[in-house]
Amino acid sequence: DAGITQSPRYKITETGRQVTLMCHQTWSHSYMFWYRQDLGHGLRLIYYSAAADITDKGEVSDGYVVSRSKTENFPLTLESATRSQTSVYFCASSERVGGWPNEQFFGPGTRLTVL
Amino acid sequence: AQSVAQPEDQVNVAEGNPLTVKCTYSVSGNPYLFWYVQYPNRGLQFLLKYITGDNLVKGSYGFEAEFNKSQTSFHLKKPSALVSDSALYFCAVRDWGDKIIFGKGTRLHILP
Repeated sequence: DAGITQSPRYKITETGRQVTLMCHQTWSHSYMFWYRQDLGHGLRLIYYSAAADITDKGEVSDGYVVSRSKTENFPLTLESATRSQTSVYFCASSERVGGWPNEQFFGPGTRLTVL
Repeated sequence: AQSVAQPEDQVNVAEGNPLTVKCTYSVSGNPYLFWYVQYPNRGLQFLLKYITGDNLVKGSYGFEAEFNKSQTSFHLKKPSALVSDSALYFCAVRDWGDKIIFGKGTRLHILP
């Protein structure tokens, strides 16, 4: 089924464990993004990627790592999870159209709880 | 730096009445502005965007937004609210590198 998917949808882990959240899109969009959503903060950008093998930090990147070896996948890894990383994580993708910025398409989200 | 502000955390509107969700922006250069909606336990969905041209932008589900350069505003509007419009609404502005900066969101409650 075409679109953008995230897995797992729900995850409970313990402080100090490594966790990887997966994101997959079928549109071959160049741009991919990871956000976290917390009450009172809206969406904050963690990392983004303009193409395969090109990634850059966002507003709240500390404690997170990303990779993008293939255009369609953009996994997010929490190297050593902390309670402050309890959040809902959204992946998104977009493409430029005619040189103009286009809208982002969002996945359904992963709700992560760090105990 | 680019930014958007949504001055209202929550807006309550009676069903059938017109609704407005407010957004103001601050940019250097031309503003590229977006509105997204989030229903419970879902990802964000694109509603509409302003890049250039007509100041009144029409989008999905009967929503429209009015771009006002002198007031640096991009308010979301709908002539007649539905209960199903109840959701969280985000205004956003394009940053460099095709990143988007989101406002903190406004929760819209449509009262039956």
